[in-house]
Formats: sequence, C-alpha cells, structure tokens
Amino acid sequence: DVKVTQSSRYLVKRTGEKVFLECVQDMDHENMFWYRQDPGLGLRLIYFSYDVKMKEKGDIPEGYSVSREKKERFSLILESASTNQTSMYLCASSLRPYEQYFGPGTRLTVT
Amino acid sequence: AQSVAQPEDQVNVAEGNPLTVKCTYSVSGNPYLFWYVQYPNRGLQFLLKYITGDNLVKGSYGFEAEFNKSQTSFHLKKPSALVSDSALYFCAAFTTSGTYKYIFGTGTRLKVLA
Repeated sequence: DVKVTQSSRYLVKRTGEKVFLECVQDMDHENMFWYRQDPGLGLRLIYFSYDVKMKEKGDIPEGYSVSREKKERFSLILESASTNQTSMYLCASSLRPYEQYFGPGTRLTVT
Repeated sequence: AQSVAQPEDQVNVAEGNPLTVKCTYSVSGNPYLFWYVQYPNRGLQFLLKYITGDNLVKGSYGFEAEFNKSQTSFHLKKPSALVSDSALYFCAAFTTSGTYKYIFGTGTRLKVLA
C-alpha cells in the first residue's frame, strides 16, 4: 500500500511566522502535490513537483513556496503566515499523473 | 474556464435507501473522471474512476458511478446507503488536453440517517 504521511495533523501558528509543512511518500513516486482545502471551494492546487528539485506553480501559489531536495519528501513553506492561510493542507503523490494518493492532511490555524 | 460542478452541498438519505451524488463537468477533450471520499479529519480516499469503456463503473464499498458523455455527468450511486457512508464526497476530472491537471468539485456532504 502507498503511504503518504504529513508531519502534523494539527498546527497552530502566529501571524508572520515561517511555517513548514512536510510530506513524505514511500512509493518512489515522481510526482508530488500540495493542495489546500476550504469549505465550498473544494481542493485547489498550490504547487506540484514532477522530479527532485523541480517545481511548478499551481492555481494559488501566492504566499507559498516549496522544496523538494529528495524524491520522497515535498515541503510546503509559508514564508510569513497570515490568517487567510488558515486551512486544511493536503499532500498527494503519484506515479501516473492521474492516480493521486493523499496524505491525512494538516489542519493549520494561523492566529 | 474548465470546471467540475457538484450542485448539492448536502444530500440526506435514509439508511437502506438508494443514494445519488451528482457531478457534471465542463472539461475539454476526454477527461478521466474520479470520485473520492473524505471522512472527518482524514485525507481523500479513492473510490472509483472512469477512463474509457463501460459507462457504469464499480468501485469500493459498493459504490458505482455512471458516465454520461452527452450530459457530461458522472453521478455517484449506491443501491442501499449505510450510516457509515456519511462523509464528504468529491468529484474530480483529470484533463489530458494541454497541461495535465486535476480539477476538483466543491464537495457534497452525504448524511445517511438511521
């Protein structure tokens, strides 16, 4: 079974803090994705990566950056957290682009 | 703009009754279509997909979905609902025209009443 893990289930941070969300997959997948999920908006793609050190912007990259130094790990970085970044963050990985496996999610609250 | 629509925010159904969760899409080309389920405070779990072939697709936990190209719909169905089916359901389209991209619907909360 594919396993995608995220470093925290719940996180509370203060406005202006730098926040790191970590995602690790154990299936040697090339593609990894970060989404945010908000009620009434569904899932929106923030960034994705199709190889180590490669990254592409998704639909809502503003205020975020990513890092992929190793194939199994994809980090989402909030450079200066703001209250409008309070959300559920979901990581996914895939071998084929359309077969995404999701992690359990990190619920981030920025106060 | 390409989109996936789930017209109902919430669907209520009595246990044992059939359920339908609706999904329509406006995506170019021949998209792949998916249903995912999300239980509280969990990630998305894959239920089923349509890529090509038979219009009726069977998936996990007794769910099935019917692809209708002329109506651009991909409704999720189950003949007999269980209370444990209560969850948030997402329809998604994967477009293969141009850049590969997943487009998600806004989600439908299914509530099965005992």
